[in-house]
Amino acid sequence: GENVEQHPSTLSVQEGDSAVIKCTYSDSASNYFPWYKQELGKRPQLIIDIRSNVGEKKDQRIAVTLNKTAKHFSLHITETQPEDSAVYFCAATTSGGSYIPTFGRGTSLIVHP
Amino acid sequence: DTEVTQTPKHLVMGMTNKKSLKCEQHMGHRAMYWYKQKAKKPPELMFVYSYEKLSINESVPSRFSPECPNSSLLNLHLHALQPEDSALYLCASSQGVGRNTGELFFGEGSRLTVL
Repeated sequence: GENVEQHPSTLSVQEGDSAVIKCTYSDSASNYFPWYKQELGKRPQLIIDIRSNVGEKKDQRIAVTLNKTAKHFSLHITETQPEDSAVYFCAATTSGGSYIPTFGRGTSLIVHP
Repeated sequence: DTEVTQTPKHLVMGMTNKKSLKCEQHMGHRAMYWYKQKAKKPPELMFVYSYEKLSINESVPSRFSPECPNSSLLNLHLHALQPEDSALYLCASSQGVGRNTGELFFGEGSRLTVL
């Protein structure tokens, strides 16, 4: 089955800095890569996603890049704000399997004011 | 209505109790899911219902029994749980199934404590 590795487990930045979270996946058949944000005590919510036919996608301060050859994808957050503090989960969905996303272990992002 | 609603928000039960968690969505989504989440860990898939039929059971112990009475409702019946089953139980739904699964919409979760 699919295996998703996520790094780092904790990321601490100053407000205004950029943050990058990286994920690798094992199954070359994976074709959908969502990112979920989970604030403390809240539900996970989709913040951005990318499909395998696209190399990059942006939404305001958030961007995701995908390198299919290397089987890795990254979340980029620019001009971080304290409200960006949360746990971020990457996921990969394999077209040849159940199509249920396999989650990475999560990155705890802390943005210091 | 773009929400997945879960009740109760908190549940404390003894190991001999029988209780149920409930989940509801009115977005017309065709798939519903139960996840278990321990602190500082990713959600762990338990069950998937597609078109009201159980399509995936991730080898979950029989003390957890899912039920999908209709396309909007999903229950998780709990019986003879162990303290290690204490966790946040998340319900989710998706508009599509299979290759069209797409975004998962999560509820706020039911925090379960087993004494």
